[in-house]
Parts: sequence; structure tokens; C-alpha cells
Amino acid sequence: DARVTQTPRHKVTEMGQEVTMRCQPILGHNTVFWYRQTMMQGLELLAYFRNRAPLDDSGMPKDRFSAEMPDATLATLKIQPSEPRDSAVYFCASGSRTSEAFFGQGTRLTVV
Amino acid sequence: GQQVMQIPQYQHVQEGEDFTTYCNSSTTLSNIQWYKQRPGGHPVFLIQLVKSGEVKKQKRLTFQFGEAKKNSSLHITATQTTDVGTYFCAGRGTSGTYKYIFGTGTRLKVLA
Repeated sequence: DARVTQTPRHKVTEMGQEVTMRCQPILGHNTVFWYRQTMMQGLELLAYFRNRAPLDDSGMPKDRFSAEMPDATLATLKIQPSEPRDSAVYFCASGSRTSEAFFGQGTRLTVV
Repeated sequence: GQQVMQIPQYQHVQEGEDFTTYCNSSTTLSNIQWYKQRPGGHPVFLIQLVKSGEVKKQKRLTFQFGEAKKNSSLHITATQTTDVGTYFCAGRGTSGTYKYIFGTGTRLKVLA
């Protein structure tokens, strides 16, 4: 059963620490999205890649967030330094062309 | 930038009652997708609409895309407790972008 895999599922960290979230997209999917979900802001698109190239990261705070795809099987989202306002659920999703997006189960981040 | 709003934000219905959520985009869309997110879960794709005025049905769910391709609706007939969750629309712009902007979501509670 093909699925998007995200690790870790939960992360509690102290303010100022670096956080790295990982995503393994479904094999063969060439588009990868990073979304952040909070009660106040809903589902926000942070960045997306097509064929491993970043196409749009306008939703991402550039000073502390970075997103990369080192290879076709791995996407990463880093926050350095983390702040309490970064607490949210971070979803990775993958898809192909204009098909539906398949979401991972998310990483629940708590910054204390 | 593109914004996608949904109303209502919350809806409580008695089991067996109908439910409708409306999605409105600030810009014309090339297509629209609908997702359902169960409490504690991740968004799961329901359907995609592409054509102006398109109507699609999935059992008790009816999806409609507006003539101007700026709005959409999801109607559930005779709700069941399994329909509980948050329903999101996600719109893709017409500029050749691959990204989808998610609506604000409608949280549905069904009272047995």
C-alpha cells in the first residue's frame, strides 16, 4: 500500500533548537508539498517541489525555515532556530502532475 | 494572492440531516479538489472538479463547480456519524502553477 511516510510523528523541543522533519514521498510522484496546520491559520502551503526543484517557497519564513530534496526519495524541512509559534502539525504530501495529493500522517511539533 | 474561503466554519447536524459547505476563491481556478480530514488524521482526497458547472456524485456526497470556476460546494445527504470531520476545498490557479491553496475548512459534527 503506497503511502507518504513522515518522521518523526511527534517532536517536542526547546526554543532555539534545530528541528528536522523528513518525508518519503510515494515512489514515482514528482511533486512534493509541505503544509503547516494550526487552529488559527488552517492548512498553509509552505513550499513545494517538482522533480526535486523548489518551485515555490513563498509561504515559508525564510530566516528560519529551509526545505530541500536531497534525492527523489527524501524531502526535508528544517527550522533553525525553532520558536514556540512554530508549534503545529507539519504535513508532507506528494502527487504527480495535477492529480490528488497524498498526505503523510504529519509531524506534530511542540516548541517549548 | 489567491485566497480560498469556506463557510460555514463549523456545522453541527443531527444524524440524517443534510449538510452543505461552500467554497469561494478570490481568483478563477483551473480546478478544485475536496479533501476530508478526520479528527487527529490527515487530509484524504475525495474528488477533483475541472469543468465549469461540473457536478459529481459519490454515494451521498454531491460536488459542484461553479460556472465561473470561482466557487464550489459539497453537499452530504442524510449525514451519518462516519461523516464527522473537517472538509477542505483546495483550488489551483490558472497561471500554470502546480500548487493548491486550501480553503479554511468546515468542521462537521454529527449528533446521533
